[in-house]
Amino acid sequence: NAGVTQTPKFQVLKTGQSMTLQCAQDMNHEYMSWYRQDPGMGLRLIHYSVGAGITDQGEVPNGYNVSRSTTEDFPLRLLSAAPSQTSVYFCASSQDRGVHNEQFFGPGTRLTVL
Amino acid sequence: EDQVTQSPEALRLQEGESSSLNCSYTVSGLRGLFWYRQDPGKGPEFLFTLYSAGEEKEKERLKATLTKKESFLHITAPKPEDSATYLCAVRTDKLIFGTGTRLQVFP
Repeated sequence: NAGVTQTPKFQVLKTGQSMTLQCAQDMNHEYMSWYRQDPGMGLRLIHYSVGAGITDQGEVPNGYNVSRSTTEDFPLRLLSAAPSQTSVYFCASSQDRGVHNEQFFGPGTRLTVL
Repeated sequence: EDQVTQSPEALRLQEGESSSLNCSYTVSGLRGLFWYRQDPGKGPEFLFTLYSAGEEKEKERLKATLTKKESFLHITAPKPEDSATYLCAVRTDKLIFGTGTRLQVFP
């Protein structure tokens, strides 16, 4: 199993550009989520999905969109990039949203917005 | 407001020098506490889940304990390969991460 994969690993954008961060998992997990990690702050939840066709907002959703058309894929779209979105983005998955289930994280995408 | 605080922010140890990392929390309705390890340039890797005060879990040189207000990650006789950032996270109706402790173990 590849686990959770993310592409690209690095990305530089100009303010106002849009892009999609890709996330895929091959563990047949129902629950997937996107986090951002900034210096001095804990991981913060952007959006999450409890299954195909179902998404919901996390703690910091503004400026981001998600969709979940399949169990495997959970892309994160930046609509109009801003310097405040410079961060490291992690995708994670778990069997479901239950408290007993550990989350598996991808390797991250380091995004810089100029 | 739910809060998770980890201390110290950074810790430097000599190989073999045991120590503890702290994760204190003030939340309503604790449903679980998680410890993760994060290596530079990588995503967090799951270590332990603790559910109730008094619970302990061990893995190699690591032992995690939980009280009603905090959790400790004890590292016994650490090796350089234990160098990483250790994150704790508390689950209520959401998952709240601490900012981590950056551990460096020198030979």
